[in-house]
Amino acid sequence: DQQVKQNSPSLSVQEGRISILNCDYTNSMFDYFLWYKKYPAEGPTFLISISSIKDKNEDGRFTVFLNKSAKHLSLHIVPSQPGDSAVYFCAASAMRNTGNQFYFGTGTSLTVIP
Amino acid sequence: DAMVIQNPRYQVTQFGKPVTLSCSQTLNHNVMYWYQQKSSQAPKLLFHYYDKDFNNEADTPDNFQSRRPNTSFCFLDIRSPGLGDAAMYLCATSSSYGNYGYTFGSGTRLTVV
Repeated sequence: DQQVKQNSPSLSVQEGRISILNCDYTNSMFDYFLWYKKYPAEGPTFLISISSIKDKNEDGRFTVFLNKSAKHLSLHIVPSQPGDSAVYFCAASAMRNTGNQFYFGTGTSLTVIP
Repeated sequence: DAMVIQNPRYQVTQFGKPVTLSCSQTLNHNVMYWYQQKSSQAPKLLFHYYDKDFNNEADTPDNFQSRRPNTSFCFLDIRSPGLGDAAMYLCATSSSYGNYGYTFGSGTRLTVV
């Protein structure tokens, strides 16, 4: 059963506009969330994270919002740039004593149109 | 730069012929993970090592095995690859302390012919 869901497989945005990528989760024990970015033929690279004690985290053009009551998080990219075109994965974790197992969504492919 | 390296980047193997994928890290992380990612699907955790302790996911087929001879290296062995095992295999590492996320390798794309 998919515990982390990204219901939009793809998104197209004009350069300079805002990109909003959404993620929903089902496990209320999740307390840490990440967004990864993946280019073709490469492994995912870390983008931004948020802990459940916060509802917003900002890093340059990237902001992640967490709504715990709705079990929903979103990634905002503003302004969007063509180099942002990639697949974005949302991941969630609950602390485990043998390391941090993350559960991934299926990804959203973002295309930023010049 | 500290990193996670996977070799080879692309691997073609014959149906039923054993194949080994390798992963090395210079981060000195305690935990190493192997994920399988099929097209348009989320990465799926196969197993992970916490130091020398092996943790297998309940739904990982017996066809998949792993070895971690030392902190730096971890191997994924597929004993008898089937066509359904064609996928991208991702290695990742993490520190055992705190939620700092993973560092991923670039992955090995496995083709079974």
